[in-house]
Amino acid sequence: GQNIDQPTEMTATEGAIVQINCTYQTSGFNGLFWYQQHAGEAPTFLSYNVLDGLEEKGRFSSFLSRSKGYSYLLLKELQMKDSASYLCAVRFSGGYNKLIFGAGTRLAVHP
Amino acid sequence: DVKVTQSSRYLVKRTGEKVFLECVQDMDHENMFWYRQDPGLGLRLIYFSYDVKMKEKGDIPEGYSVSREKKERFSLILESASTNQTSMYLCASSLVPTGTGDTDTQYFGPGTRLTVL
Repeated sequence: GQNIDQPTEMTATEGAIVQINCTYQTSGFNGLFWYQQHAGEAPTFLSYNVLDGLEEKGRFSSFLSRSKGYSYLLLKELQMKDSASYLCAVRFSGGYNKLIFGAGTRLAVHP
Repeated sequence: DVKVTQSSRYLVKRTGEKVFLECVQDMDHENMFWYRQDPGLGLRLIYFSYDVKMKEKGDIPEGYSVSREKKERFSLILESASTNQTSMYLCASSLVPTGTGDTDTQYFGPGTRLTVL
């Protein structure tokens, strides 16, 4: 099967920068999504990468290297409300927009 | 805004009961998905549908079935609930992907936390 790997937990300080990494098997890659999920709530879309490089959206940026099977989500100027789980999901070819999710990274932001 | 709704936020059932989880989306999306989410395992795909009356097995279909009689509605059925089906169930929908942009994303409902006793 296709494994999507990301760290289980991370902690950071309010106002700081944190990078959450995600690795995946490159064969059949067809797009990568990042979602944010607060406890007890639905995942919400943050970013989408299909080409190499950096996509910036305000305080959040996402990077992709297709040859390395690697992505990261960069969160700047951390706020307490950024405490949540961050899910990396990969779409592989031939699957009707079917996604394979990593287990998620639980981020705790401390004052 | 896309809205995906699920019939219940919390549900408690007994072992052996037949359980129906309903999902409705209001954006005319072709694709709909059912996941379960368990601690440490992330979201795992149970079934998905790419058109009315069409369905495909996901990664963990055993013990589940689905029904899509109308485009906006996708139902998950537990024929005979078991304790190992206690979980958070999430429904999602999406357009047919173009591969080029954010519109490919899946939109999620609020989830149903099912407990099977």
